[in-house]
Amino acid sequence: AQSVTQLDSQVPVFEEAPVELRCNYSSSVSVYLFWYVQYPNQGLQLLLKYLSGSTLVKGINGFEAEFNKSQTSFHLRKPSVHISDTAEYFCAVSGDDKIIFGKGTRLHILP
Amino acid sequence: EAQVTQNPRYLITVTGKKLTVTCSQNMNHEYMSWYRQDPGLGLRQIYYSMNVEVTDKGDVPEGYKVSRKEKRNFPLILESPSPNQTSLYFCASRLTGDTQYFGPGTRLTVL
Repeated sequence: AQSVTQLDSQVPVFEEAPVELRCNYSSSVSVYLFWYVQYPNQGLQLLLKYLSGSTLVKGINGFEAEFNKSQTSFHLRKPSVHISDTAEYFCAVSGDDKIIFGKGTRLHILP
Repeated sequence: EAQVTQNPRYLITVTGKKLTVTCSQNMNHEYMSWYRQDPGLGLRQIYYSMNVEVTDKGDVPEGYKVSRKEKRNFPLILESPSPNQTSLYFCASRLTGDTQYFGPGTRLTVL
């Protein structure tokens, strides 16, 4: 069985500051890992994914994430956030048949 | 354009009145699923389908039914809706192990 924990339900950060959204997972099988973003009043769209290969994954809008197998983490980072990054971010893990989502982290950008 | 479509986008109904939310994808994906999104609870899977005529319960299946008679369609049926089914619903599809594509969402209110 798999599970995903997003450690922060909300993260406030000043505009142009760096941000890290944390995600830890547990699984007994090899996994694929994803970050999705949900902008206000919209559906979810893929930000980035790790399937195999390089542990540093780059996504859209300047985001990146690092797969750390020993720490079972897949934290999302951006070096400088913009007001347009205001959204809810979901980490997800897919192993066998199912894809499991974390409860989401709401990113608030402060002017 | 590759997409997942849902209808209706918004629905207000009364307790006990049967309703169906349609979902269709044009990407020839085997895997389709339904989620509900509630504040503080993230995305919870209702049902999923690995292929035509193959459906299985997710984490919160009570009060819902699905069918998968064709590969592209995966309707969600509420035989007797109740107020606790007021939520935002997302349909999604994917190839096994890969990126999940989401529909735009259906906001359901049950009075």
